[in-house]
Amino acid sequence: GEDVEQSLFLSVREGDSSVINCTYTDSSSTYLYWYKQEPGAGLQLLTYIFSNMDMKQDQRLTVLLNKKDKHLSLRIADTQTGDSAIYFCAENKNAGGTSYGKLTFGQGTILTVHP
Amino acid sequence: DGGITQSPKYLFRKEGQNVTLSCEQNLNHDAMYWYRQDPGQGLRLIYYSQIVNDFQKGDIAEGYSVSREKKESFPLTVTSAQKNPTAFYLCASSIRNPMNTEAFFGQGTRLTVV
Repeated sequence: GEDVEQSLFLSVREGDSSVINCTYTDSSSTYLYWYKQEPGAGLQLLTYIFSNMDMKQDQRLTVLLNKKDKHLSLRIADTQTGDSAIYFCAENKNAGGTSYGKLTFGQGTILTVHP
Repeated sequence: DGGITQSPKYLFRKEGQNVTLSCEQNLNHDAMYWYRQDPGQGLRLIYYSQIVNDFQKGDIAEGYSVSREKKESFPLTVTSAQKNPTAFYLCASSIRNPMNTEAFFGQGTRLTVV
């Protein structure tokens, strides 16, 4: 199976909260990331969390990490139509020691926000 | 402004031709990466380079080649050996830190084989 897995689609109403889920496999990953991709564009880093943290909040974004279950989630409060995009989670594999990190991405979750 | 520039934004290639995608960064990052994006498959790593004059194969390197002669530049050549080259290609860079690979991405090049 995939190293990092996400559900492909999420549809919410404007003003509701969105929760995007991700599971990963490498317990040695030190950082986990959330990226946003708008149509036809590159990826923009939204936030990241260090693996010894359970939660990180940044304005409308809340990241929850359950290291035991290798589960990561991104909650977007008061979702707006401008939040419609593809959201990728990623883990930093081969981290630590003398090797250098590189990112492994999930398939991406397409978030659609309806007025 | 600091950032990563990919060019061209759109590229068309005839079957059997090699084509080179450009990636330039002025962030003074040591590490640079090339990813391929296909619908529903996320991003897959093609090649990466942690330092000038050195690079390693990623998960899907077959049919691609790279060079890293300058810190700022990491061009990707899609060769005629790549059987299904139509895709969206993304270049990224980061500082050389094994613990935190906070990558910055370019705007991508969409390659279409005609």
